[in-house]
Amino acid sequence: KAGVTQTPRYLIKTRGQQVTLSCSPISGHRSVSWYQQTPGQGLQFLFEYFSETQRNKGNFPGRFSGRQFSNSRSEMNVSTLELGDSALYLCASSQTEKQYFGPGTRLTVT
Amino acid sequence: GENVEQHPSTLSVQEGDSAVIKCTYSDSASNYFPWYKQELGKGPQLIIDIRSNVGEKKDQRIAVTLNKTAKHFSLHITETQPEDSAVYFCAANQAGTALIFGKGTTLSVSS
Repeated sequence: KAGVTQTPRYLIKTRGQQVTLSCSPISGHRSVSWYQQTPGQGLQFLFEYFSETQRNKGNFPGRFSGRQFSNSRSEMNVSTLELGDSALYLCASSQTEKQYFGPGTRLTVT
Repeated sequence: GENVEQHPSTLSVQEGDSAVIKCTYSDSASNYFPWYKQELGKGPQLIIDIRSNVGEKKDQRIAVTLNKTAKHFSLHITETQPEDSAVYFCAANQAGTALIFGKGTTLSVSS
């Protein structure tokens, strides 16, 4: 089976812009979770989608949003980018409790 | 909510030695404890996990132990090799809740 894929792998944006990141889960997996990884805060949970519904949400501002499509692919959006949003954004797909991560999207905000 | 503490933050061992990484969790309702290995430029890779109804689990050179009473769990790597060098993360959750991660341990294995 193909693993979790994320696009794009690298992104450079300017403060105030918005960005959309995409995640394709492992075939058959219906749950997709998103995480932000930074050197200072580590891996922090953003949100989880299951069958197109948000099932869990982390403690991030409303500028961070997501959605899931009927084919289980998921997107996350960050509006009004801030310098502090620079991070590696990871998505993970799961069928049971085991979560499998993609390679991440490295977002740099200048 | 759940809080996971991980120690040490860095660990250096000689090739062939054992390495132990320890984590404690705060929520007694947590019942699933995975470990991930992250190499430079890659996403975390699930290497082993354990559920709360099991005290120990082994997979070749790696093992995880769980002490529910003390609320801590550990990763043991035996006969370490240079390719074991990476950042290791522990995590905990219960069904239907978010996976909460420790801050990570950078393991360096020198030959």
